[in-house]
Amino acid sequence: EAGVAQSPRYKIIEKRQSVAFWCNPISGHATLYWYQQILGQGPKLLIQFQNNGVVDDSQLPKDRFSAERLKGVDSTLKIQPAKLEDSAVYLCASSLGVAAGDNEQFFGPGTRLTVL
Amino acid sequence: AQTVTQSQPEMSVQEAETVTLSCTYDTSENNYYLFWYKQPPSRQMILVIRQEAYKQQNATENRFSVNFQKAAKSFSLKISDSQLGDTAMYFCAFMRPNTGNQFYFGTGTSLTVIP
Repeated sequence: EAGVAQSPRYKIIEKRQSVAFWCNPISGHATLYWYQQILGQGPKLLIQFQNNGVVDDSQLPKDRFSAERLKGVDSTLKIQPAKLEDSAVYLCASSLGVAAGDNEQFFGPGTRLTVL
Repeated sequence: AQTVTQSQPEMSVQEAETVTLSCTYDTSENNYYLFWYKQPPSRQMILVIRQEAYKQQNATENRFSVNFQKAAKSFSLKISDSQLGDTAMYFCAFMRPNTGNQFYFGTGTSLTVIP
């Protein structure tokens, strides 16, 4: 079974530039999560999708971050414009669903973003 | 709001010995799940063990076991017979199913297994 795929693995940009990350979850997984992991901290949930609908985006800085999951499969996370404090690893995870027994999250390798 | 606290930023253990990582959490929920995730250096995060709050019995997965104290809101991870491959960041996480499986992670404990 293929795992969660993310690209790119690394990205370096200058502040005020735009950047986009891509995630392909495990086939059949209805729930998709985007996390931000700043160095030395635990992952912080940015947005959660159930199929192509948003379940929770309360911690997404909506003035600069946006995410979509068209057709309920792949997802993209965009930052526009980037700030220095956005430097972090962006993790994508997926799970079968939200019911008990389906809630194990499988993580991708992450995208390490450096904003100069 | 839910909070997860890991008070040990770094720990080390001799190979083959036993180590316990601490985690406490704060919630007013009665139904929830707790997890330990492992993040090896430059590798993906993987699930180590999961505990359902309504189950009294502590979860066990081979060399990994938990001590779940619901009243004390404590969820520690014990690693027995530590191996070099156990070297990683370990994150404790809390999930409340009533809100669509929203996860809250602790700040992590960096474990080093010494040969």
